[in-house]
Amino acid sequence: NAGVTQTPKFRVLKTGQSMTLLCAQDMNHEYMYWYRQDPGMGLRLIHYSVGEGTTAKGEVPDGYNVSRLKKQNFLLGLESAAPSQTSVYFCASSYPRGAEQYFGPGTRLTVT
Amino acid sequence: AQKVTQAQTEISVVEKEDVTLDCVYETRDTTYYLFWYKQPPSGELVFLIRRNSFDEQNEISGRYSWNFQKSTSSFNFTITASQVVDSAVYFCALRDAGNMLTFGGGTRLMVKP
Repeated sequence: NAGVTQTPKFRVLKTGQSMTLLCAQDMNHEYMYWYRQDPGMGLRLIHYSVGEGTTAKGEVPDGYNVSRLKKQNFLLGLESAAPSQTSVYFCASSYPRGAEQYFGPGTRLTVT
Repeated sequence: AQKVTQAQTEISVVEKEDVTLDCVYETRDTTYYLFWYKQPPSGELVFLIRRNSFDEQNEISGRYSWNFQKSTSSFNFTITASQVVDSAVYFCALRDAGNMLTFGGGTRLMVKP
């Protein structure tokens, strides 16, 4: 039982490049989330999904896209990376209705 | 819109001292959930506790205790007899009727030997 895993752990991009972050969970959770964490700040929700095939915008969705083709996977895409997207990205999953979220180990992304 | 405020950005204590981390929240919903997470220096986020808005009982788990007061919209976290391993950033979070979890800015706790 691996919980929530994220791939890759680290990545450096140049401005304008694209990439996809992969999140996988093996807890059969319905809900999945992508957050970003910037220095001195709490986590901010980028996008989330309440089930396979569904996605919704969070607090800071601009510049990101997501897909949930399989229940256990949630992909976060950056189409044209910008330095402002330098951050640590966390994926999380949970059961519905107020359940606690379980977080992956994070992906540290640097955009130069 | 919901909001979580952790006014203490950094706290420094000496080992064995008690320390309380404050959390104040805002929401218009009557049903909501409050959480505390710990982020140690290694970076992962560890779930500590969940409370729903209908359960105002205080909770104790070992050296940790939580005080939930709806009258003041606060959900404070106390560590008794702090230890160096308690050094971390602690986040309070709120989830209301929507699906989004709103985090406070975090409190960095440093416990010195």
